[in-house]
Amino acid sequence: GQQVMQIPQYQHVQEGEDFTTYCNSSTTLSNIQWYKQRPGGHPVFLIQLVKSGEVKKQKRLTFQFGEAKKNSSLHITATQTTDVGTYFCAGRGGSNYKLTFGKGTLLTVNP
Amino acid sequence: DVKVTQSSRYLVKRTGEKVFLECVQDMDHENMFWYRQDPGLGLRLIYFSYDVKMKEKGDIPEGYSVSREKKERFSLILESASTNQTSMYLCASGLAGGDTGELFFGEGSRLTVL
Repeated sequence: GQQVMQIPQYQHVQEGEDFTTYCNSSTTLSNIQWYKQRPGGHPVFLIQLVKSGEVKKQKRLTFQFGEAKKNSSLHITATQTTDVGTYFCAGRGGSNYKLTFGKGTLLTVNP
Repeated sequence: DVKVTQSSRYLVKRTGEKVFLECVQDMDHENMFWYRQDPGLGLRLIYFSYDVKMKEKGDIPEGYSVSREKKERFSLILESASTNQTSMYLCASGLAGGDTGELFFGEGSRLTVL
């Protein structure tokens, strides 16, 4: 079945440093989504990427979808303590609408 | 405000008990999902439903069943709870279609099976 791998599992940064998490799928995806889960909270949708090579920005967050639609990344510029949480990618295959989540990257930020 | 409500935030059950986890959404979404979340394993899909009375197995359906009698309600049933089903259970809903967009999650139900 479809598998979505996400690295790294953990990342600790100093406030102001950049952060990137990577997502790779075993199969071509129709789209990929990113979610953020704050400690003690539930996942909250950040964005969806659909097109090959797509790049989207939300303030300090930059999301990319690979040309082959099998990988994606989330980059945060100049992290802040409010960025703390677990970031999940979630991919949807072409023939169904089931979302498969990566295991997530836990980001901690030292002030 | 969109809302997905899970009936219990915390439950403690004994091995062998039947457990019902209820989820209600007020957004008229066709699709509803049950995931479990475990440390280091991320979110794993148990079952999902794309319409009333319709259901499909996810990646880890063993030991679980579901019920969708009304569009707004999706129930997860553990017929005979076991200790390895101790976990955080997350319900989610979303619009129908091949590119359905975002999922809205409930607050989660933390189940402990003794």
